[in-house]
Amino acid sequence: AQSVTQLGSHVSVSEGALVLLRCNYSSSVPPYLFWYVQYPNQGLQLLLKYTSAATLVKGINGFEAEFKKSETSFHLTKPSAHMSDAAEYFCAVSDRAAGNKLTFGGGTRVLVKP
Amino acid sequence: GAGVSQSPRYKVAKRGQDVALRCDPISGHVSLFWYQQALGQGPEFLTYFQNEAQLDKSGLPSDRFFAERPEGSVSTLKIQRTQQEDSAVYLCASSLDVSSYNEQFFGPGTRLTVL
Repeated sequence: AQSVTQLGSHVSVSEGALVLLRCNYSSSVPPYLFWYVQYPNQGLQLLLKYTSAATLVKGINGFEAEFKKSETSFHLTKPSAHMSDAAEYFCAVSDRAAGNKLTFGGGTRVLVKP
Repeated sequence: GAGVSQSPRYKVAKRGQDVALRCDPISGHVSLFWYQQALGQGPEFLTYFQNEAQLDKSGLPSDRFFAERPEGSVSTLKIQRTQQEDSAVYLCASSLDVSSYNEQFFGPGTRLTVL
């Protein structure tokens, strides 16, 4: 069974500071990995995805993530936080053995301080 | 073009009532998923359709939950005899085809509150 662990349910960063959100996964097959963002009362929006091409993946809004097989990690970063980055972020792994349903982590809520 | 839409956006039900939640996927999308998101948690898989075929319903929490997609487009998630533990946001997502690397596009969700 696949699983995703996001370390830290809440992260507080200052505007302009580095954003680092941690994600570790467990998968019996090479994974496809995704980061989604959720704004209040909205659905999830894809930030970026890893599908076994380049290990460093660039997404929208200045976010990027690096796939590290040896560490089973897919951490999300952004060099400089903006107030609009305040939201909840979810890491997910795709179950390639059973359709492509997603298994999500518990989420990390980001607060950006001015 | 239009994204995934869901209705109603909010639903309040008394315990024991039946509810029906609707999902309109992006036109032409083959795959459709339902997820349940409890307060403060990540979404959890409920069920999956490929066109009109329900290929995976392993996440449905009980036999009170039923989903259908009779014509391979619109889907309905029905919950019978609602219980307080059914209170959650129900998210629908669609994907162009069955490839695992394809993005799932999510609707805004239906927030169900069972009193």
